[in-house]
Amino acid sequence: EIVLTQSPGTLSLSPGETATLSCRASQSIGSSSLTWYQQKPGQAPRLLIYGESDRATGIPDRFSVSGSGTDFTLTISRLEPEDFAVYYCQQYVTSPWTFGQGTKVDIK
Amino acid sequence: QLQLQESGPGLVKPSETLSLTCTVSGVSIGMTYYWAWIRQPPGKGLEWIGNIHNSGSTYSNPSLQSRLTISVDASKNQFSLNLRSVTAADTAVYYCARLWFGELVFFDSWGQGTLVLVSS
Repeated sequence: EIVLTQSPGTLSLSPGETATLSCRASQSIGSSSLTWYQQKPGQAPRLLIYGESDRATGIPDRFSVSGSGTDFTLTISRLEPEDFAVYYCQQYVTSPWTFGQGTKVDIK
Repeated sequence: QLQLQESGPGLVKPSETLSLTCTVSGVSIGMTYYWAWIRQPPGKGLEWIGNIHNSGSTYSNPSLQSRLTISVDASKNQFSLNLRSVTAADTAVYYCARLWFGELVFFDSWGQGTLVLVSS
C-alpha cells in the first residue's frame, strides 16, 4: 500500500499569504497520478486538481501543483477567506487507492 | 446538473450488515461512468471503499473486499453498498461519488455524505 504523508498537519496563515502544502508518497507515483481535494467543515470533499495540473471547474488559478516521483506540492497563492479548509492528496497508481491524512489551512 | 444522495440507516449493530444506496440525478447511471464509495471516520481522513461501472464490474479496496458488495440498479438510477459483519471501526461518514476512471482517476462529484454509527 502506498502511504501518502501530508505536511504540515496544520498551516496557520493570513488572507493574502501563500500556502505551500506537501504530499509525500512512500514510493514513486510518477508525475500525474495524484489528485487533490478540498474539504470544508460539514461538507463533502471537492475535487480541486487532477492530472499534472488540471483544475476542476470553478477552481481559480491561485491553486497550482508541482512535483513528481514521491514529492508533490499544492500551492495556494493569495489566500482568500474561502480557501481555509482541509486539503487531501490521493494516489491511484496502485490498489488500494489511498489518501493523505490531510493538511488543515486555518486563519492565523 | 449531477446530484448524488446517500440514504440508509444511521445506526447499525455490530456483526450486522451496513446497507446504503446512492441515488443519482441529472445524469443516467447507465451512461459510461463509474461510481464509487468513500468513507471518513469522524475527525479522520478519507478511505476509498470501491467502485462500480454501469456494466456491474467492480473494483474495491482489498482490506474490505471480503465483506463488501457494490451493485448498480440502472432502472432506479441508483447504486448500493453492502458491508457485512461491521464493527465499531466501520463507523464513518459514507460518501458516494462519480468516478472518472481512465488514464486519470478522480472523484468529480460527491454526495453530501451520511453518517453511519455502528453500535449496539
